[in-house]
Amino acid sequence: AQSVTQPDIHITVSEGASLELRCNYSYGATPYLFWYVQSPGQGLQLLLKYFSGDTLVQGIKGFEAEFKRSQSSFNLRKPSVHWSDAAEYFCAVGAGLDSGGYQKVTFGTGTKLQVIP
Amino acid sequence: KAGVTQTPRYLIKTRGQQVTLSCSPISGHRSVSWYQQTPGQGLQFLFEYFSETQRNKGNFPGRFSGRQFSNSRSEMNVSTLELGDSALYLCASSSTGTLYNEQFFGPGTRLTVL
Repeated sequence: AQSVTQPDIHITVSEGASLELRCNYSYGATPYLFWYVQSPGQGLQLLLKYFSGDTLVQGIKGFEAEFKRSQSSFNLRKPSVHWSDAAEYFCAVGAGLDSGGYQKVTFGTGTKLQVIP
Repeated sequence: KAGVTQTPRYLIKTRGQQVTLSCSPISGHRSVSWYQQTPGQGLQFLFEYFSETQRNKGNFPGRFSGRQFSNSRSEMNVSTLELGDSALYLCASSSTGTLYNEQFFGPGTRLTVL
């Protein structure tokens, strides 16, 4: 069964500092990988996704993520954080079919980002 | 283009009641998915409808059901509400025929069960 782990529940960074949010997945093959952001009181917005090809993926709002097969990781990065980046970030995995023949998307537990001036 | 809309935004019910939530997808999107978000369990996939047919489903009891209309609008119903059903219910729409593509989320319906 697929699973996804976001080991950091809460991260605090200073505005202008770099950011890396960790995501590790468990699946036998290469899954579909996503990063979403959720601002308070709002739904999720897709930042970027990886299906295949170039392992460094560029997304919106200056975010990028790198797929590392050997480490089963898909970490999200941003070189310089802005106060507006404060939100909760979710990594998600979509892979294959479950025992019932259904597609399945599994979300991590999220990382809350606090940005201090 | 208008985004995904969900009504109502907030709802308070008591145990044993039933509730219906509504979702209007982005125009032209034929896939609508539903998710439950709670502090304890996080984001969990409920089910997905595509062209009025349930195509994918998660591991939720039969008390959770849904349907999709010919205009792609979707409703989710929860019967015999339990305290643990208190959650933010998110709806997402997609233009493609797979769950593994970009989904556009609505703001959610906050359900409180007393």
